[in-house]
Amino acid sequence: AAGVIQSPRHLIKEKRETATLKCYPIPRHDTVYWYQQGPGQDPQFLISFYEKMQSDKGSIPDRFSAQQFSDYHSELNMSSLELGDSALYFCASGGYNEQFFGPGTRLTVL
Amino acid sequence: GQNIDQPTEMTATEGAIVQINCTYQTSGFNGLFWYQQHAGEAPTFLSYNVLDGLEEKGRFSSFLSRSKGYSYLLLKELQMKDSASYLCAVRTLFSGGYNKLIFGAGTRLAVHP
Repeated sequence: AAGVIQSPRHLIKEKRETATLKCYPIPRHDTVYWYQQGPGQDPQFLISFYEKMQSDKGSIPDRFSAQQFSDYHSELNMSSLELGDSALYFCASGGYNEQFFGPGTRLTVL
Repeated sequence: GQNIDQPTEMTATEGAIVQINCTYQTSGFNGLFWYQQHAGEAPTFLSYNVLDGLEEKGRFSSFLSRSKGYSYLLLKELQMKDSASYLCAVRTLFSGGYNKLIFGAGTRLAVHP
């Protein structure tokens, strides 16, 4: 069965650089979610999209933005990267009673 | 405010049964999810409860009591590969009709031979 696809799987950036993470949800799922998970932490909700419209916003810094495109893939854009942005970034997609996570992008900021 | 509590760590023996509890205090409750997560990997969806009662899926069962703000995940016939973190997540409904998951800190389960 198709799963959530994220790219890249690993990303290394310098401070103050910009990063773009991509997510391809499971076909026919109407909602995409982005989460950030720091070492030893639980996933923290960042932002979600329902049918290509932003549906909810969590603890997402102003330096981050995201959008969902006509083909339902989503991108998380992160600017002015800081050391504290180093984390696993998960995308999840789902319907009402399910939410499946992608494999994550491990971002390391040096 | 939103609050989800789970035990931090649990240990159990291979072949045994273990129950992981989760209590929550949230506004706009709209369902509870359980996930399994191995270190460095993505959370894996295990179960979803929105009505009171027990949902069974093979070796895993999940129970919900909305009036008590309580859920548990029951794992039977434990296997070594069940050693992982188990995350309780509550979906909250916001005014726009959309919703997000709020995760507990997770319970690290260690299964011993």
